[in-house]
Amino acid sequence: GQNIDQPTEMTATEGAIVQINCTYQTSGFNGLFWYQQHAGEAPTFLSYNVLDGLEEKGRFSSFLSRSKGYSYLLLKELQMKDSASYLCAVSRAAGNKLTFGGGTRVLVKP
Amino acid sequence: NAGVMQNPRHLVRRRGQEARLRCSPMKGHSHVYWYRQLPEEGLKFMVYLQKENIIDESGMPKERFSAEFPKEGPSILRIQQVVRGDSAAYFCASSPQGAERAFFGQGTRLTVV
Repeated sequence: GQNIDQPTEMTATEGAIVQINCTYQTSGFNGLFWYQQHAGEAPTFLSYNVLDGLEEKGRFSSFLSRSKGYSYLLLKELQMKDSASYLCAVSRAAGNKLTFGGGTRVLVKP
Repeated sequence: NAGVMQNPRHLVRRRGQEARLRCSPMKGHSHVYWYRQLPEEGLKFMVYLQKENIIDESGMPKERFSAEFPKEGPSILRIQQVVRGDSAAYFCASSPQGAERAFFGQGTRLTVV
């Protein structure tokens, strides 16, 4: 089976940095995904990590350590529009389903 | 290239009725996944299909729920004799063969009254 844990909620100030942690336990691993989901909308793809290390994409970065079963999503220079849920998901095999964590609701305050 | 299209966006059904949710994958995508999201919860996998085949239905309830992805036309998620607990957002995602990244549709919000 799979177990994916991430904090339920985080609050941060506009312009600041927030780090959302995700830990997972899985048999078989084919990559870790981060999605952003605004209330009432579809999840949108942010990042995909399959090898250890940091992937940077503009204001968003994602890190993976396979040996530790750990990932984080780093959001820099926070903007009000970044207020959303951030979903961590793991794939066990190519072309296979994603197993999602419960999501982390991030609230950005002025 | 249109994204993943789901319809209807909102669906209201009385208890005992049937709900049919449609998903047209992105052009060139042959893998379709259905997920359910209850209010304030994460997405839960339901079923994974390729054209005319169900690959993994381990997340589907044993009764009342069925899914298909015919050779022609959209993928359909069918819920028979709906109950209040079926009220949720149902998301469809598609991916091209062998790719890791799935694109999500806007979802169908089902309300059972």
